Amino acid sequence: GDSVTQMEGPVTLSEEAFLTINCTYTATGYPSLFWYVQYPGEGLQLLLKATKADDKGSNKGFEATYRKETTSFHLEKGSVQVSDSAVYFCALSGRDTGRRALTFGSGTRLQVQP
Amino acid sequence: SAVISQKPSRDICQRGTSLTIQCQVDSQVTMMFWYRQQPGQSLTLIATANQGSEATYESGFVIDKFPISRPNLTFSTLTVSNMSPEDSSIYLCSAGPRTENTEAFFGQGTRLTVV
Repeated sequence: GDSVTQMEGPVTLSEEAFLTINCTYTATGYPSLFWYVQYPGEGLQLLLKATKADDKGSNKGFEATYRKETTSFHLEKGSVQVSDSAVYFCALSGRDTGRRALTFGSGTRLQVQP
Repeated sequence: SAVISQKPSRDICQRGTSLTIQCQVDSQVTMMFWYRQQPGQSLTLIATANQGSEATYESGFVIDKFPISRPNLTFSTLTVSNMSPEDSSIYLCSAGPRTENTEAFFGQGTRLTVV
């Protein structure tokens, strides 16, 4: 079945540091890929998405590129802020229309220090 | 997009009791799901809430423990029955995605503590 593997956290960075959170996936066909963010005490919010190979999703300074050859969707940001402290989830939506639920990675907690 | 209202936002319950969580979507959606997020863990799909028919449960989850209702295209409930401390989790309602290329939307979650 489909699966998503994320790097373990927590990731602790200083403000303005470069961020990479690795995400790789296993799926049949060509899934759509998502990054969701969960701020403390809140639900999940979509951060960005990519629906086909070589697509780049971007939002709020975050970027991720759909790499079919490496089955990866790594999240990057050039300069993190304290307000980016949250848990980040990589997820995929498979092409099996009988199962539209997302498959999530384990989540990576990011802590940004001033 | 879809806005999802979930309530209660949190509760502390006695073991052996049941809690019903409500999920209201501001527009009609075909697919609604219920997830569990145990402390420090990722999201695990409990079931797909089907409108007008019985929910479809994932392996490890059963209807007697997690009965789900879906009376229409904008509303669903999840009941956590005969609770034990192991049921302490965040329960999240989700709507969509409408297609394989679109995102799912989530409620704020219900933080349940069983004592």
